[in-house]
Amino acid sequence: QKEVEQDPGPLSVPEGAIVSLNCTYSNSAFQYFMWYRQYSRKGPELLMYTYSSGNKEDGRFTAQVDKSSKYISLFIRDSQPSDSATYLCAMSAGGGNKLTFGTGTQLKVEL
Amino acid sequence: DAGVTQSPTHLIKTRGQQVTLRCSPKSGHDTVSWYQQALGQGPQFIFQYYEEEERQRGNFPDRFSGHQFPNYSSELNVNALLLGDSALYLCASSPGLAGGPYLADTQYFGPGTRLTVL
Repeated sequence: QKEVEQDPGPLSVPEGAIVSLNCTYSNSAFQYFMWYRQYSRKGPELLMYTYSSGNKEDGRFTAQVDKSSKYISLFIRDSQPSDSATYLCAMSAGGGNKLTFGTGTQLKVEL
Repeated sequence: DAGVTQSPTHLIKTRGQQVTLRCSPKSGHDTVSWYQQALGQGPQFIFQYYEEEERQRGNFPDRFSGHQFPNYSSELNVNALLLGDSALYLCASSPGLAGGPYLADTQYFGPGTRLTVL
């Protein structure tokens, strides 16, 4: 069993839709949770960074962490075609530790 | 701020050869991590360098080695290349513990080096 599970998709939504992306994990030591966006053949770009449980909002993006359920989510409001990319969740135990990634969810926002 | 830079962009090698990939971290960052990303997969941690020493290592064989220089830049070396080493190799930098406990794990990635082994 992988430490981090993420549905690979692909997920296709119409422009303007609310997108929900999710990951589950098994390692209770994870305390820091990140979402990265990766365009085709590019490096991952850090979108959101949260510590422990709770919500964090940045523009059209909201990250949620539920440590009791070992479940994290990223919501994208008013999705745009430019949001079409692969979204990777990542997590670490803290203290400058390594990141453990999910497999990524491929998102396509259609006009 | 140039961000994390990597060279070369693309590389084609044959089985058994050796390769060296290079990375310059984001300004103000002293910790460099390397990841391997196979097609359709998330990045897998190879190792991390801090103060010119390997600080952590993932489940990769000794054919994978690295180095960090006094200016914090880093190299990844892979010996005796296998077909399965074909992947996107990503370098990430972070402020490490100097950034405080909250930011220590914020890793910023470079564009990657795409390695093809024939």
